[in-house]
Amino acid sequence: NAGVMQNPRHLVRRRGQEARLRCSPMKGHSHVYWYRQLPEEGLKFMVYLQKENIIDESGMPKERFSAEFPKEGPSILRIQQVVRGDSAAYFCASSPIMVAVSYNEQFFGPGTRLTVL
Amino acid sequence: DQQVKQNSPSLSVQEGRISILNCDYTNSMFDYFLWYKKYPAEGPTFLISISSIKDKNEDGRFTVFLNKSAKHLSLHIVPSQPGDSAVYFCAASPGGSRLTFGEGTQLTVNP
Repeated sequence: NAGVMQNPRHLVRRRGQEARLRCSPMKGHSHVYWYRQLPEEGLKFMVYLQKENIIDESGMPKERFSAEFPKEGPSILRIQQVVRGDSAAYFCASSPIMVAVSYNEQFFGPGTRLTVL
Repeated sequence: DQQVKQNSPSLSVQEGRISILNCDYTNSMFDYFLWYKKYPAEGPTFLISISSIKDKNEDGRFTVFLNKSAKHLSLHIVPSQPGDSAVYFCAASPGGSRLTFGEGTQLTVNP
């Protein structure tokens, strides 16, 4: 039973290029979350998606960042026109269908380390 | 606005002794709390959780305590082992959705 998969593990981009980060949730999980960890900081929530729906994007920067979780295929976090400040580790987590009055822990992938030159 | 705070960036303990990691929160809407362990270059690994209707949850060597009136939780590891050396993050959630993380505490268990 594979865990959360993220690729690529490392991504190097020059300023102004686009970065695409992919996340495949655990089998049977329909909720995906993206978090960003800047150097020497904790993880910060970015966006929460279900299949074909963005549920909460309150942590996403207003410009250049977008996320999707299509009906088929992995979730994608897209960063357009990257800048040096986007250099960070980006983690994806998944959880199963939430049941009322119960909680589900989120399972994390290994992360994608983005370096912007 | 740091809603979840881990005030100790590092903690060092001897093998076999108890490790106590602390976490404070400010948001009264948080009702689900989790501890994650993280090694360098890996994603966080879930350790243990507790909902606000409880004040203690135990799983093997790991016990989490929740003091709602003080908005404080702690993770106890006993006995501590060298393999427990990692960064520990506490996280909190309102209703089981997005997680708000603390800054992490680096635990070092010395043989």
